[in-house]
Amino acid sequence: SQELEQSPQSLIVQEGKNLTINCTSSKTLYGLYWYKQKYGEGLIFLMMLQKGGEEKSHEKITAKLDEKKQQSSLHITASQPSHAGIYLCGADTGTGANNLFFGTGTRLTVIP
Amino acid sequence: NAGVTQTPKFRILKIGQSMTLQCAQDMNHNYMYWYRQDPGMGLKLIYYSVGAGITDKGEVPNGYNVSRSTTEDFPLRLELAAPSQTSVYFCASSYATRGAETQYFGPGTRLLVL
Repeated sequence: SQELEQSPQSLIVQEGKNLTINCTSSKTLYGLYWYKQKYGEGLIFLMMLQKGGEEKSHEKITAKLDEKKQQSSLHITASQPSHAGIYLCGADTGTGANNLFFGTGTRLTVIP
Repeated sequence: NAGVTQTPKFRILKIGQSMTLQCAQDMNHNYMYWYRQDPGMGLKLIYYSVGAGITDKGEVPNGYNVSRSTTEDFPLRLELAAPSQTSVYFCASSYATRGAETQYFGPGTRLLVL
């Protein structure tokens, strides 16, 4: 079965600090999706990565898919309280109808 | 566009009761999905549909049923609610082509079974 591990499970940082969240798959990834979830709300799409070595950025958030396409990292530069929430990675392993397998999430707290 | 909408937002059920979670999308997506999210866990796929009239089981289908009579709607049915079904349920939709675009998620339905 698909294993998708996220680390760390939780993270507390001071405002202005940089941070990295990792997502590691036991299978080759055909697509890796990063989402953000605030408590009690749905998932908000952040970025999608498909090619090995691909890197995408949006504002202060950068995500990269490694060359072997089995690990992705999400990096936030100069964190702000608005970045707080749960970050989830979703993996497309090429099976089913665009089904995504999700990691357990990383809960980010940013202290002002 | 409203995107993906879900009703109700929150519901309390007694063991053995039944209910239907509603999901609708107005983006003309062919693919629709139902996930459940348990505390501290990622999302698990319950059922999915690749188009009207076509549904299939996901990772955790037991205790649930779905139907897809129209492109827009994808209701999830719980026939005999059990405490193990206490969870947050998310509906999502996407275009048919793999990798073309992400899945769009609804705001979720929080279900408590007592």
